[in-house]
Amino acid sequence: AQKVTQAQTEISVVEKEDVTLDCVYETRDTTYYLFWYKQPPSGELVFLIRRNSFDEQNEISGRYSWNFQKSTSSFNFTITASQVVDSAVYFCALSEPNFGNEKLTFGTGTRLTIIP
Amino acid sequence: NAGVTQTPKFQVLKTGQSMTLQCAQDMNHEYMSWYRQDPGMGLRLIHYSVGAGITDQGEVPNGYNVSRSTTEDFPLRLLSAAPSQTSVYFCASSYSNRGNEQFFGPGTRLTVL
Repeated sequence: AQKVTQAQTEISVVEKEDVTLDCVYETRDTTYYLFWYKQPPSGELVFLIRRNSFDEQNEISGRYSWNFQKSTSSFNFTITASQVVDSAVYFCALSEPNFGNEKLTFGTGTRLTIIP
Repeated sequence: NAGVTQTPKFQVLKTGQSMTLQCAQDMNHEYMSWYRQDPGMGLRLIHYSVGAGITDQGEVPNGYNVSRSTTEDFPLRLLSAAPSQTSVYFCASSYSNRGNEQFFGPGTRLTVL
């Protein structure tokens, strides 16, 4: 069965520090997709990135970067030079579309607090 | 485009009452789903639909019914509310069931007394 583990429940860092959010997943399929979503204090879910299992290239988008390593089943998320606006709950999620549906399995989330 | 809309935004029910949470999308998405979010548990899938007339159960379907008569709408029904159904409910939609990004509605915060 698919499973996503976000072992870090809460993280606090001082503004401008770098921070990495960990995500470890379990899947029985060779084709799968990994996602990161952000949930700011306002409560909505904001899509950040999607990565398919055949693309192990790391990705950078501004201050955000993602490190996908199939060998360790990890899809970690790094924020460089953190800002107060980065304070949110971050969810990692996994889908296995080959099994006939598109259900997302979410991790339990990491609450990130950026201290000004 | 309004994206994914949900109504109501807040709701308080008494145990045993029934209600329907509304969800609509205007992006012509085939796939729609309902999740509930509880503290420390992330989001869990309740029911999903891969197209009009087709629905299936997710991880936590008990106590909830769904139907999909149109592409746009995917209502979630609570037949007899229980305190364990106190949660935040999110509706989501996507173009297909091939790993596409899911767009989420703003959520409905439900309290069952």
